[in-house]
Amino acid sequence: SYVLTQPPSVSVAPGKTARITCGGNNIGSKSVHWYQQKPGQAPVLVIYYDSDRPSGIPERFSGSNSGNTATLTISRVEAGDEADYYCQVWDSSSDHLVVFGGGTKLTVL
Amino acid sequence: EVQLVESGGGLVQPGGSLRLSCAASGFTVSSNYMSWVRQAPGKGLEWVSVIYSGGSTYYADSVKGRFTISRDNSKNTLYLQMNSLRAEDTAVYYCARALSGWSSRGYYYYYMDGWGKGTTVTVSS
Repeated sequence: SYVLTQPPSVSVAPGKTARITCGGNNIGSKSVHWYQQKPGQAPVLVIYYDSDRPSGIPERFSGSNSGNTATLTISRVEAGDEADYYCQVWDSSSDHLVVFGGGTKLTVL
Repeated sequence: EVQLVESGGGLVQPGGSLRLSCAASGFTVSSNYMSWVRQAPGKGLEWVSVIYSGGSTYYADSVKGRFTISRDNSKNTLYLQMNSLRAEDTAVYYCARALSGWSSRGYYYYYMDGWGKGTTVTVSS
């Protein structure tokens, strides 16, 4: 079963850059997608295909993926970015075809 | 615009059954891959099931043999029939539209670009 590992929490001051990692065995050979979930709300797609942004997502959100780590980067962090963030891949060998990371709570100080 | 509205959640006893519905608008359910994803209280996201546009269905091992995903094309609605429910099935259940295919880099992709607000299922005696 394929496992995605995220840090439980990341803290950042407003205006600074937040980096949330997603580790997986040779994850660079997969397409990684990221979701933002605010309390009491449904997830929202913020990055797909490793680094593409859906319409309506600020340019401050970017992604990269190489080797064993994918990274979601949020520049010029705002209070409204405080949320849980989940990475996700497809893995046909897993018991869950769609694999999510455990999630990272982003706290804006 | 993708709009999804789930319904059918509630309180059910262990061993009981429940059918969730997900009414879609802004797109055609039968032309897309559709998924159910759940989130237990205070926990992360867990994929549950998918139905392909061609009708093939797949399930997480944790629900295989107990849950059935289906759709009604005339109603543009997705369903999840849940039988033999257990306490560990307690969660918010989201339906989501999925996009999939092969990227320019040659990797298969599958992601969910539209989600409903979810419906809560509580399994308890």
